[in-house]
Amino acid sequence: AQTVTQSQPEMSVQEAETVTLSCTYDTSENNYYLFWYKQPPSRQMILVIRQEAYKQQNATENRFSVNFQKAAKSFSLKISDSQLGDTAMYFCAFMKEGGYGNKLVFGAGTILRVKS
Amino acid sequence: NAGVTQTPKFRVLKTGQSMTLLCAQDMNHEYMYWYRQDPGMGLRLIHYSVGEGTTAKGEVPDGYNVSRLKKQNFLLGLESAAPSQTSVYFCASSPRAAQSWHMNTEAFFGQGTRLTVV
Repeated sequence: AQTVTQSQPEMSVQEAETVTLSCTYDTSENNYYLFWYKQPPSRQMILVIRQEAYKQQNATENRFSVNFQKAAKSFSLKISDSQLGDTAMYFCAFMKEGGYGNKLVFGAGTILRVKS
Repeated sequence: NAGVTQTPKFRVLKTGQSMTLLCAQDMNHEYMYWYRQDPGMGLRLIHYSVGEGTTAKGEVPDGYNVSRLKKQNFLLGLESAAPSQTSVYFCASSPRAAQSWHMNTEAFFGQGTRLTVV
């Protein structure tokens, strides 16, 4: 079974600064997908970024980028130029490729607070 | 442009009462899921469905039942609610994978249902 660990329950960052959220996972699979979801106070789950394990290049989406280290099973999220609207709970998630039902396995989440 | 819609948004139940949460998606997705979110535990999969008429157990299925009679709907039932089922419940849907690295694996979530069992 896969597990996802987010070791930082809470983090804070000043507006316009950069912050990195950590995620590690455990799996025996070689092909899989990793995701970061954002959950603002509205409770809506929003996909921030995804990474295919077969790709060596780290995914980027505007101010969001990941550092994917497959051998170390690490998948951190870097938010540059933090904005007040980035305040949210962030979840790291794992999906096995070709798994029955495309099930997501989530970490416990990291609360990020952006301060003005 | 509805996406995934959950009904109701909030509910308070007394211990032992029953209720059904409704999830509807308009994206013609094959796969649907029910998760529960608890502090410090992230989202955990309760049950899921890979198509109309099919259901399967997830990580925490006890105390819940589901049905998928129509492709667009996925119902989650609590037959006899317990305080331990106090949680936020999320429904999600995703398209079926066709080819491995060309598939769109994104899951779309509803806005959640906050359920309190007293």
